[in-house]
Amino acid sequence: DAGITQSPRHKVTETGTPVTLRCHQTENHRYMYWYRQDPGHGLRLIHYSYGVKDTDKGEVSDGYSVSRSKTEDFLLTLESATSSQTSVYFCAISDGEFYNEQFFGPGTRLTVL
Amino acid sequence: AQSVAQPEDQVNVAEGNPLTVKCTYSVSGNPYLFWYVQYPNRGLQFLLKYITGDNLVKGSYGFEAEFNKSQTSFHLKKPSALVSDSALYFCAVRDGGNTPLVFGKGTRLSVIA
Repeated sequence: DAGITQSPRHKVTETGTPVTLRCHQTENHRYMYWYRQDPGHGLRLIHYSYGVKDTDKGEVSDGYSVSRSKTEDFLLTLESATSSQTSVYFCAISDGEFYNEQFFGPGTRLTVL
Repeated sequence: AQSVAQPEDQVNVAEGNPLTVKCTYSVSGNPYLFWYVQYPNRGLQFLLKYITGDNLVKGSYGFEAEFNKSQTSFHLKKPSALVSDSALYFCAVRDGGNTPLVFGKGTRLSVIA
């Protein structure tokens, strides 16, 4: 999966608890993305980063925050998890050139009870 | 705003027959189009892309896609389907610059032996 790891790979948590998902890359790519995948919705962009400390919102950013203090790490935080945030979360990276593809991590399956 | 439509949730094809997975798009400028495949419990894998030039693009695993500007389509094709091609396929588009990819909702391909 192109030098991208996600942790944890599976997590079960309870409503109202904070959750942080980590994406780590070894490709030194400038851009990093967080998506969620849900049946019938495909992939929807949550947040993305175009450099250290530079982030922007995606289509479904409500309830999520992100941080990027190092090129290689991009964290996604659910401040107070809700059942509607049960999903599979994918991290992706790209070098930022518009003609180049994004590479995806293996995903994190999050269940909020 | 850019958007992608995959009109078929499911496509069934017999092994050895040709397959087509449809994709139409909408962008304000020049489209940059991508196809990805997702196998069960895996992240997305890049198949092919159209940036400019020849309208017929060849990619991994014998897949190809035809860019049709007048019909704003980018259909994925393969001359002879394999059972191992059974997976979820996503079309994605960006309209240039460093905008994130926008994904369709996915089409599940089932190749029957």
